[in-house]
Amino acid sequence: AQTVTQSQPEMSVQEAETVTLSCTYDTSENNYYLFWYKQPPSRQMILVIRQEAYKQQNATENRFSVNFQKAAKSFSLKISDSQLGDTAMYFCALQTSYDKVIFGPGTSLSVIP
Amino acid sequence: GAVVSQHPSWVICKSGTSVKIECRSLDFQATTMFWYRQFPKQSLMLMATSNEGSKATYEQGVEKDKFLINHASLTLSTLTVTSAHPEDSSFYICSARDSYMDVGTSFDEQFFGPGTRLTVL
Repeated sequence: AQTVTQSQPEMSVQEAETVTLSCTYDTSENNYYLFWYKQPPSRQMILVIRQEAYKQQNATENRFSVNFQKAAKSFSLKISDSQLGDTAMYFCALQTSYDKVIFGPGTSLSVIP
Repeated sequence: GAVVSQHPSWVICKSGTSVKIECRSLDFQATTMFWYRQFPKQSLMLMATSNEGSKATYEQGVEKDKFLINHASLTLSTLTVTSAHPEDSSFYICSARDSYMDVGTSFDEQFFGPGTRLTVL
């Protein structure tokens, strides 16, 4: 069975500061994808960043980067220079090859001006 | 990225009636679409996988006779909530899978619709 765990239900960060959201997962598959999705108050799911498990290099997208530790099955998201628009629910997600996406319980992030 | 639409964006209905929600991939063909349910302040829960031209695959605990899914074309999947009751009130989100090749590498990505808020009185 595949599981995704996010141990931080809520977090807050001061504007312009850096914050790290944690995620651990479990799968017996060797090939899989990991994602971080953002869900703002509009509730539209937005893909923030993705990581292919076979790639050792951590993915980055502008202010967003991940720390992917495959052996530890850890996949944390770092948001640098936090902005007010980053306030949202953040979901870590796991997808094995051509299979369904399993979402973690989410972390509610508040950026404080 | 690719665009997925849902219609309606919100609906209010009386208990006992049926409600149909449409999910469309606007600029790509999707052989597979997914239906999720999300309660307030909770995560997305996969209800079923919808495959074009075949029966949907339901997750454990999801009543297939209550949540009817039809995927009649490569761009449209529908979810019908039959005999809706107040406990069916929720936010329903669909996603469509787009698989493609880019510079010799295959990608498999899901694109999400904006969701439908269902309220059953």
